[in-house]
Parts: sequence; structure tokens; C-alpha cells
Amino acid sequence: NAGVTQTPKFRILKIGQSMTLQCTQDMNHNYMYWYRQDPGMGLKLIYYSVGAGITDKGEVPNGYNVSRSTTEDFPLRLELAAPSQTSVYFCASSRDRAGETQYFGPGTRLLVL
Amino acid sequence: RKEVEQDPGPFNVPEGATVAFNCTYSNSASQSFFWYRQDCRKEPKLLMSVYSSGNEDGRFTAQLNRASQYISLLIRDSKLSDSATYLCVVQGGKLIFGQGTELSVKP
Repeated sequence: NAGVTQTPKFRILKIGQSMTLQCTQDMNHNYMYWYRQDPGMGLKLIYYSVGAGITDKGEVPNGYNVSRSTTEDFPLRLELAAPSQTSVYFCASSRDRAGETQYFGPGTRLLVL
Repeated sequence: RKEVEQDPGPFNVPEGATVAFNCTYSNSASQSFFWYRQDCRKEPKLLMSVYSSGNEDGRFTAQLNRASQYISLLIRDSKLSDSATYLCVVQGGKLIFGQGTELSVKP
């Protein structure tokens, strides 16, 4: 099993550009999550999904969108990049309820200039 | 008050030392508790869950005090490879991550 994979590893965007961060898991997990981590800070939940076709907002959803058309994939979309979105983005998955162990992808480092 | 608050770091300790990290949480209805480890520029990985009775995994001991809303992690006989950031994580609906405490173990 590859676990949770994310692409790209690193990206530089100009203000106002759009991009999609890809996340795929091969563990047949129902729950998937997107977090951002700013330097010296904890992870903040952006969006999560409890299964295909179901998504919900987390703590910091503004400026982002998600979709969950399959169990495996959970892409995160940035429509109009802003410098405040410079961060490291982690995708994670867990088998069932949110209290289960979460498995994280390697992260995407995003710089918005 | 932050939902999950950890000791500010960094902790710099010599090899072989015992080090303890503390974490407090604000939601008394929280149900599950974890310690995750995050190496520099890498993803967090589960270190251990924290049970009400306390639990041990080798050199690592985790304690939970529900009355005081407090979690701790004790590392005995520190190794160089223990150098990382330790994240306290609390589940009360969703997982809430603390900001992390950095540990640096020196030779």
C-alpha cells in the first residue's frame, strides 16, 4: 500500500492564480481531511469528508473548495490564491470515525507571491 | 483560551535524559487523546494513544487527567532519534491539534 499520496510536493503561485492539490489514499478509508500548517503552529482543519459525495467545512475553509467523487480521491481547490494561503498542506485519512488514527500524506508546500 | 495548549519549546536535553511534555485541553467532553510525532518538514505520525488508566510503550509513557483536563508524555532515556516535534491531539467531534513542542536531543 502506498498509503496517502499528495501531489505536487512544492508549488509557487502568483496572487490570483488557481490550483488543485491532489490527494489519494489506497486504504479504502471512509474519512479524509485537509489540514494546513503554518510555521510554529498546529494543524488547522480546512475541510473533511466522511465518504464519497459528502464533504463538510472545518475550522478554516475560506478560500478553498473540495470534492469527493470517489473513496480514494479528495482534491483541494484554491480558486484565487492569496499570500495568506502560503502554508504546508497535509491530506489525511482514517478508516471510520474521526477519533481513529489518522494517516497523513507527505504534504504540499505552497508559496503564494 | 486555546482548545489545546502545549508547553512552549524547544526542549534541549542530553542523550539519556528524561523529558516530560504537558498539554491542556479546554473541552471537557473530549473523548480521545493522542500524541503524534512530526519530524522536520515531514508529516505527523501517530506515536501513541492516551488511555484513562495511563499507558506505556517502551520508553514512552502517556498519562491522562480528565479532572484537570491535562495530558502528559514522558520520554525516558532520550535518544538522538527522539528529536522531533511532539503534537498533542484531542478529539471532541473533530481532532484538534496542539501547536507542538519541539525536542532536541544532543550527544
